[in-house]
Amino acid sequence: GAGVSQSPSNKVTEKGKDVELRCDPISGHTALYWYRQSLGQGLEFLIYFQGNSAPDKSGLPSDRFSAERTGGSVSTLTIQRTQQEDSAVYLCASSLEMGAAGLEGTGELFFGEGSRLTVL
Amino acid sequence: GNSVTQMEGPVTLSEEAFLTINCTYTATGYPSLFWYVQYPGEGLQLLLKATKADDKGSNKGFEATYRKETTSFHLEKGSVQVSDSAVYFCALSDRWNNNDMRFGAGTRLTVKP
Repeated sequence: GAGVSQSPSNKVTEKGKDVELRCDPISGHTALYWYRQSLGQGLEFLIYFQGNSAPDKSGLPSDRFSAERTGGSVSTLTIQRTQQEDSAVYLCASSLEMGAAGLEGTGELFFGEGSRLTVL
Repeated sequence: GNSVTQMEGPVTLSEEAFLTINCTYTATGYPSLFWYVQYPGEGLQLLLKATKADDKGSNKGFEATYRKETTSFHLEKGSVQVSDSAVYFCALSDRWNNNDMRFGAGTRLTVKP
């Protein structure tokens, strides 16, 4: 597709279950970001990929959260043993421009529609 | 670390009123600054950007000027419309730090006819 695609769009799960959220970025975009948006809150940075590697994992809230990216394309965010406080909209974004020292780069992120996770 | 602080909402205005949403930032490098907008039921999209000090970003009647001396990037529009009702996010991208993109908390704007 032309845009960033996320699935599932809506997920309801029971506390303690594992969930996987998928992000399919725009073709050719080298950078991929995961954010979390809780009700009434801003965007919380989770993790960022450059290609298949993650230079910055500092935003992952706990060791129950992990993410991977394969083939420089699709990324999966996995939450193990979900808790009620994990309920949020998980947003994925991709970017063509890869910032580096001395380069301007646009920095524009293209966002998916998000995956709404509800943990009962 | 890098961070963005923006004015808390919600903001409610009448049509044709003047809009200002304040945004200030903290960064160690030379960030690019952005405003993203999230219309009801839609994903976030870029509204405007500025990549260096004194640059002015503009789009759809909105403007913001990158002020290094006050570390600010306030969003303004001279005459808002009902269709501008949305959540607005200020953001910072530090290309000296792995292009790390940080967002403010978002400001919900409602414009009434």
